[in-house]
This record gives sequence, structure tokens and C-alpha cells, in this order.
Amino acid sequence: AQSVTQLDSQVPVFEEAPVELRCNYSSSVSVYLFWYVQYPNQGLQLLLKYLSGSTLVKGINGFEAEFNKSQTSFHLRKPSVHISDTAEYFCAVWGETSGSRLTFGEGTQLTVNP
Amino acid sequence: GAVVSQHPSRVICKSGTSVKIECRSLDFQATTMFWYRQFPKKSLMLMATSNEGSKATYEQGVEKDKFLINHASLTLSTLTVTSAHPEDSSFYICSATKDFPREQYFGPGTRLTVT
Repeated sequence: AQSVTQLDSQVPVFEEAPVELRCNYSSSVSVYLFWYVQYPNQGLQLLLKYLSGSTLVKGINGFEAEFNKSQTSFHLRKPSVHISDTAEYFCAVWGETSGSRLTFGEGTQLTVNP
Repeated sequence: GAVVSQHPSRVICKSGTSVKIECRSLDFQATTMFWYRQFPKKSLMLMATSNEGSKATYEQGVEKDKFLINHASLTLSTLTVTSAHPEDSSFYICSATKDFPREQYFGPGTRLTVT
């Protein structure tokens, strides 16, 4: 079965600073990778996804992520964060052994301070 | 983009009663819908997968007689929590897809509180 590890449960940063949220997954021949954002008391919104092709994926709200197959990582980055980016971020993976399940990481709480 | 709605957004019910949560795909036909449960400060836990017109597939440890799922059409799935107890209090999120795993759209969630 697939597994996803989000290495940081909480990431505090100051406004306009760069941020990286780390995600590692268990190896699989082929995977689809996703980053979702969840604001308090809301559902999940897709930030970006990697299905195939270019390993650098650009998403909404200025976020991007890089698929690194050799390191089985899919870290999320933003060069300059805003207060409004404060939220919970989930990395998710689907692999060919996953069936009809997305496997979610435990989440990273990003807090942007003024 | 595709929109998934849930109703109600919040519900409070007394212990022993049943409560129904609806999940609708508003602008697309969803071949598959998923039901998740999320505890405070925790990740999403998949409860069941439902396909239109067939019985839901429940994850291990999820009581199918307690969490009844009906997927009556390509745009509607319902989750009924039967004989609810305080430990069923949680945030329930549905998602819908017509092209899993390439895309999955999440509803806004339903906060259930059982008193």
C-alpha cells in the first residue's frame, strides 16, 4: 500500500518569506501526486497535481511543486507567502497498487505571521 | 471548475437519532463518490467508495450498518449516520470524480455534532 509522509506538522513563517512544505511517498512504478489546501471548516481545494510530463508543476495561488522520482519526493514551494496562505496543506498520492484510494499525508499547518 | 456541494453544512442531533448528509456534483456526472471523515487536526480517513447504482465499498473498520451510503444517481450520494452517538461527532467530507484518479473534487464538508 502507498504511504505519504509530510515531514513537518507545523511550519511558521513570516509574511513575504519563501516556504517549502515537504512530502515524501513510498515508491511505486508510476504515481500521481497532489497537493490540497484546507481552510478552517472547509473542504479540500486542489493546489496542483503531477500526472506525467514536466517534473515542475505550477499551481494556483503562486504555488509550485517538483516531482523527484529518485528521492520519491513532491515538495511544495512558494517564493513569497501571504497571510491568506495560512491553512492546512495535504499531500496525496495514488499509485498503481492503490485501487480506488488516494492516500493522504497527515497534513502540514502553515501559519504566516505578519 | 467542477463543483461539489454538501448539505447540511452543520447539523446537531441528539444521541440515538439518525442524520442524513447529501453530496451533490452540481455540474458534472460523477461515476464515483467518496466519503471521508476528518478528526480535529487530523488527516482525512476514507470511509467508503460508492459507484452509482451499486453497493458502496467500505473501508476496514467502518460499520456499514451504521454509516449507510446510497448513490442513487450520477449526481447524488447520501451518507446516513444511524443511531448516532457522541463519538460519531466529526467533520464529514465527500468527493466526486468522473476520472479517478486524475481528478477528484471535494465538497465543503459537514460538521456533525451529536449531543
